[in-house]
Amino acid sequence: EDQVTQSPEALRLQEGESSSLNCSYTVSGLRGLFWYRQDPGKGPEFLFTLYSAGEEKEKERLKATLTKKESFLHITAPKPEDSATYLCAVQASQAGTALIFGKGTTLSVSS
Amino acid sequence: GAGVSQSPSNKVTEKGKDVELRCDPISGHTALYWYRQSLGQGLEFLIYFQGNSAPDKSGLPSDRFSAERTGGSVSTLTIQRTQQEDSAVYLCASSLWLTSGEQFFGPGTRLTVL
Repeated sequence: EDQVTQSPEALRLQEGESSSLNCSYTVSGLRGLFWYRQDPGKGPEFLFTLYSAGEEKEKERLKATLTKKESFLHITAPKPEDSATYLCAVQASQAGTALIFGKGTTLSVSS
Repeated sequence: GAGVSQSPSNKVTEKGKDVELRCDPISGHTALYWYRQSLGQGLEFLIYFQGNSAPDKSGLPSDRFSAERTGGSVSTLTIQRTQQEDSAVYLCASSLWLTSGEQFFGPGTRLTVL
């Protein structure tokens, strides 16, 4: 069964304290892995797509990496405005177009 | 440009009533998706449309749920005889083409069934 597990469930950081969020997955043929950010009361906002092991994408203080079994979202010197829930999703070759989402990591950054 | 819009933003209904949720995708996006997000749970995929066609309805939780899309644009998700377990945020997303994982989400409709 295709599955996505994110850890930790919640993470509290001080401003400037770098850390990483983990997304491990089991899928029958990975078509793509996606990171989204969700603010309270809003829909998810697309961040990155990763297609193959070894690929990396960067945007401001965020960097996403991919291996054959997991992805990491590295947050460098976070700011309070980075506080949000970060969602990981996979698209499996056999599952058509459906995205399978993890439950997310809720990040809180305090100043 | 305008993003994905959904209406209503909040809906409170009594158990057993029918509800209709509406989604306006981004203009030109051929694919449209419905998800459900319950407290403490991840996003649950419900159904997708390519144009006006929904080839796979197996993600719908029960036969009380149905969805349609007209004119390759607006979509409605209908829940008949609502139950308390239907309470959730219903999210709509659209994308340029069907296999794109870069989906643009609306703000959601929060449904509460009393």
